[in-house]
Amino acid sequence: DAGVIQSPRHEVTEMGQEVTLRCKPISGHDYLFWYRQTMMRGLELLIYFNNNVPIDDSGMPEDRFSAKMPNASFSTLKIQPSEPRDSAVYFCASSRPGTGGPPTNEQFFGPGTRLTVL
Amino acid sequence: AQSVTQLGSHVSVSEGALVLLRCNYSSSVPPYLFWYVQYPNQGLQLLLKYTSAATLVKGINGFEAEFKKSETSFHLTKPSAHMSDAAEYFCAVSEGLTGGGNKLTFGTGTQLKVEL
Repeated sequence: DAGVIQSPRHEVTEMGQEVTLRCKPISGHDYLFWYRQTMMRGLELLIYFNNNVPIDDSGMPEDRFSAKMPNASFSTLKIQPSEPRDSAVYFCASSRPGTGGPPTNEQFFGPGTRLTVL
Repeated sequence: AQSVTQLGSHVSVSEGALVLLRCNYSSSVPPYLFWYVQYPNQGLQLLLKYTSAATLVKGINGFEAEFKKSETSFHLTKPSAHMSDAAEYFCAVSEGLTGGGNKLTFGTGTQLKVEL
C-alpha cells in the first residue's frame, strides 16, 4: 500500500490567498484526521471524519479553516484567507477498526504539507 | 477525559547508553497507548502500541515500553542508543473500548539527541 498521500509537500503563499491541502487516506480506512504541528503549540488535532462525515471539528481554529471529505479516498483542508500565523506543518492520518482482534486505534500518518504564509 | 504527560522536552544520551523517555497518562477507561517517532521533515511513524495484552511491548528498532497501571506510566526504553535514534518521540493515549479510529491524545513530545 502507498500509505497516506498528501499534496503538496511544500506550499508558499502570500497572506490573503486561499490554500488547499489534499489528502488521500489508505484504502479501506474509514477514519481520517487532520493535524497541525507548530513549535509553539505542538501537534493539534483540527478535525476528523468517519465514513466521510465530520465527527469532531472543535480543533479548527476559526472560520477561515474548512475541511471536506467528498468520498472515501479524498479530503481537503482549505484556509481562506491565509495568514502568517497559519504557517505550520499539516498532517493527515487515517485509521480503521481492528480486524480479527481488539481494535487498536492506530493512526497512519502522511508525510505532511509544510505551509509558509508570507 | 484523557491526557498524556511527557517529562522532559529534550533528552540527551551518549551513543550506546540506555534511552529512557517518560510518559504518564490519564484515562477514565482502560487505555490504548502508543509511542510514535518523528524524524526530521517526516510524518509520525508508529514505534509500538499497548492494547491490553502483554504489559511489556516490543516495537521496532529495538525499542520497548512497559505498561504500569499502578503508576499510570508507559515509559519507552532502548538498551543501547544509536545515532539514528535521534528524533522526536510522542506518546499518545486512546480510549480503547470505543474501537478503532477513535482520536488519539498526544503528548508534547520529547526530542532525543544522541551524542558520540
